[in-house]
Amino acid sequence: ETGVTQSPTHLIKTRGQQVTLRCSSQSGHNTVSWYQQALGQGPQFIFQYYREEENGRGNFPPRFSGLQFPNYSSELNVNALELDDSALYLCASGDPGRYGANVLTFGAGSRLTVL
Amino acid sequence: GENVEQHPSTLSVQEGDSAVIKCTYSDSASNYFPWYKQELGKGPQLIIDIRSNVGEKKDQRIAVTLNKTAKHFSLHITETQPEDSAVYFCAGMEYGNKLVFGAGTILRVKS
Repeated sequence: ETGVTQSPTHLIKTRGQQVTLRCSSQSGHNTVSWYQQALGQGPQFIFQYYREEENGRGNFPPRFSGLQFPNYSSELNVNALELDDSALYLCASGDPGRYGANVLTFGAGSRLTVL
Repeated sequence: GENVEQHPSTLSVQEGDSAVIKCTYSDSASNYFPWYKQELGKGPQLIIDIRSNVGEKKDQRIAVTLNKTAKHFSLHITETQPEDSAVYFCAGMEYGNKLVFGAGTILRVKS
């Protein structure tokens, strides 16, 4: 049973709107990463947070932003939604107890549909 | 940056047979290679991983092999069962704990 929970599970937005997705990672996991998974593709890295600061970013525009809170929760915000933003958004937290923070546990994801 | 290629894209096997999925990576600095299983409507679940200082790792019916010289690694599932049917992703870890995923393999186990 995964220790990473995400909300909402599904949501529909229209182009130009803004969305906030939430993630609660396991206690003790001090890194959280967000990935975008388009239909039929592998997840793509958006960014990672470590101790509440962004410390790595993939090839995503600035309208994708995030936050990590002291209670191990995290948010992904996407502004000015585009049709291509429709995807499954996955949150993953890092387990520092296994070989450092490399081992990631994923949540079930938030399915975003942009109309 | 890292690039991971995965083959085949789909794989059908008879229950009880073995399944092999292969991946190649481009960045020789990558040192961590996990395999994830994703079932419909769920997030990826880690099933096995291997570090670059190890050539092979086994966990019951699942094994992973790594050839650093050739920059490829493979997932082997023996005695496949219908519940093994899912999408499998390989990944390589870039500097900074960023995972780069392959495109995935749809495994169908026919009973």
